[in-house]
Amino acid sequence: DAGVIQSPRHEVTEMGQEVTLRCKPISGHDYLFWYRQTMMRGLELLIYFNNNVPIDDSGMPEDRFSAKMPNASFSTLKIQPSEPRDSAVYFCASSLGGVDTQYFGPGTRLTVL
Amino acid sequence: SQELEQSPQSLIVQEGKNLTINCTSSKTLYGLYWYKQKYGEGLIFLMMLQKGGEEKSHEKITAKLDEKKQQSSLHITASQPSHAGIYLCGADDDYKLSFGAGTTVTVRA
Repeated sequence: DAGVIQSPRHEVTEMGQEVTLRCKPISGHDYLFWYRQTMMRGLELLIYFNNNVPIDDSGMPEDRFSAKMPNASFSTLKIQPSEPRDSAVYFCASSLGGVDTQYFGPGTRLTVL
Repeated sequence: SQELEQSPQSLIVQEGKNLTINCTSSKTLYGLYWYKQKYGEGLIFLMMLQKGGEEKSHEKITAKLDEKKQQSSLHITASQPSHAGIYLCGADDDYKLSFGAGTTVTVRA
C-alpha cells in the first residue's frame, strides 16, 4: 500500500484566498483524522471521521475551516478565507478501528502571506 | 482532554550513548503511543502500550509504561544518527489521540 497520500505537499497563498488540502487514506481504514502542527501549539486534532461521517469537529478553529469526506478514499480540508495565522503543517492520518495505530501522511506545509 | 508533558524538550547525545525521554500524564493512560517525526515528514508509529508495567522493544528502542499508568519512558540504547528526530507521545483520549509537545533528539557523530 502507498500509505496515506496528501496533496499538495507545499502551498503558498495570499491572505483571503481559498485553500483546499486533500487526503487519500489507506484503503480499508475506517477512521480519518486531520491535524495541524505549529511551533506554538504543537500537534492538535482538528476533526475526525468514522466511515465518512464527521464525529468530532471540536478542534476546528472557526467557521473558516471545513472538512468533507465524500467517500472512503478521499477527504478535503478547506480554509476560506485563509489568514496568515493559518500557516502550519496539516497532517492527515487514518486508522482501522479508531484510536488504534494511526498512519500519518507526509503533511501539507501551508504558508499564508 | 488528556494533557501530556514530555521531558526533556530537547537533548543532544553523542553517537553510541543512551538516552531517555519521559512522558507524564495527570490522568490514567488507557493507551500510550510513541511516534517519531523527522523534519518535514509525517509521524511514524513506534510502539503502543496499554497495560501497567508493560514494556516493549524494537531494535534499540524500548518503551515502558509504569504500574500506575501515568508515566511512560522511551529509551534508546547506543544511539545512531538515524535516531535523530522529534519523538512524540500520544494518549488515547476518547477515540482521539492527544499529543505531547515532543522531544527533539540530536545525535552527534
